[in-house]
Amino acid sequence: DAGVIQSPRHEVTEMGQEVTLRCKPISGHNSLFWYRQTMMRGLELLIYFNNNVPIDDSGMPEDRFSAKMPNASFSTLKIQPSEPRDSAVYFCASSLERNTGELFFGEGSRLTVL
Amino acid sequence: KNQVEQSPQSLIILEGKNCTLQCNYTVSPFSNLRWYKQDTGRGPVSLTIMTFSENTKSNGRYTATLDADTKQSSLHITASQLSDSASYICVVSARSGNTPLVFGKGTRLSVIA
Repeated sequence: DAGVIQSPRHEVTEMGQEVTLRCKPISGHNSLFWYRQTMMRGLELLIYFNNNVPIDDSGMPEDRFSAKMPNASFSTLKIQPSEPRDSAVYFCASSLERNTGELFFGEGSRLTVL
Repeated sequence: KNQVEQSPQSLIILEGKNCTLQCNYTVSPFSNLRWYKQDTGRGPVSLTIMTFSENTKSNGRYTATLDADTKQSSLHITASQLSDSASYICVVSARSGNTPLVFGKGTRLSVIA
């Protein structure tokens, strides 16, 4: 298996632009997580899905952030409009079991908003 | 409030030396605790998992311990190598709740020659 695949790896955009990050989880995993990582705050959970259904989105910063999982093999995280404080590395992870399973992370998408 | 605290925040050691990283947690009800290694520019990768009944587990030069009574875990690295330079993140799972995984902020380890 290729592991969790994220795209793009790097994104530089101007404030106000829309950003879409993509994730393909490991086949057969039923839980998918979106995290944001910064030096100051470490890894923060934004939202996670179980069987394509959003379970907890309390970590989504504000209405500018939205996430979808239209099927078991694809998820998107969208920021519209983007702001400089959104600059961070965004990780997608998948797991066989949401409560106790090992998380398999993608390589991350580094976002810079100018 | 469920929390995971790690110490030290950062550590620099000479190649070949040993080191110990600490993790204290208040997550309840406890399910398991994992240590992840995150190389620069990469996603975290699981090193080891500790369940309630386990006190010690080794994975090569990495040895994890768990004291469920004091809610503490440690990760001991023996004979460090330059490739051990990374961030080590402690993640505790709860047996219930909508947000079962609680992350520490990690310890940044630098091994120098």
